[in-house]
Amino acid sequence: AQTVTQSQPEMSVQEAETVTLSCTYDTSENNYYLFWYKQPPSRQMILVIRQEAYKQQNATENRFSVNFQKAAKSFSLKISDSQLGDTAMYFCAFMKTPGTYKYIFGTGTRLKVLA
Amino acid sequence: EPEVTQTPSHQVTQMGQEVILRCVPISNHLYFYWYRQILGQKVEFLVSFYNNEISEKSEIFDDQFSVERPDGSNFTLKIRSTKLEDSAMYFCASSEASGRNEQYFGPGTRLTVT
Repeated sequence: AQTVTQSQPEMSVQEAETVTLSCTYDTSENNYYLFWYKQPPSRQMILVIRQEAYKQQNATENRFSVNFQKAAKSFSLKISDSQLGDTAMYFCAFMKTPGTYKYIFGTGTRLKVLA
Repeated sequence: EPEVTQTPSHQVTQMGQEVILRCVPISNHLYFYWYRQILGQKVEFLVSFYNNEISEKSEIFDDQFSVERPDGSNFTLKIRSTKLEDSAMYFCASSEASGRNEQYFGPGTRLTVT
């Protein structure tokens, strides 16, 4: 069975600084996707970034990038130039493929961006 | 931009009562999911639904739970006889096609069983 671990329950960062959120996972699968979702207070989860396991290149979306280390089963999220609107709960998720495409989530990291 | 919607946002019910949580997935999506999050714990998969049938369910999804897509737009989760431990946030999600498409989540329904 797959597991996802986020070892940082809470983090804070000063506005405009860079922060890295950690995620590790355990699987024997070779084909899978990894995701970071953001859940702002009282709002729904939205996708931040996605990584296909077969791609060696790390995914990047504007200020968000990942460090995907397949052998180490690590998938960290880096947020550059942090903004107040980045304050949210961040969830790491694993999905094997092919399959029923269910997500396995980590416990989340609560990020607070300080002015 | 299309969104997944869920109603109600908060439901309070007494132990033993039946509840139905409603979701309207994005209209051209084909895969539907329910997840739940007990306060302070991780988001857990309950069930996935495709082509009008359950494609996978977790061990949490016992005989007290059922899902239905009654009219081509709504996707419902029914809990037949609620228990205190069913108190949680329930999230509906949908995705367009195969797994490479990300899931879009609704805002959740907070279920409180007293």
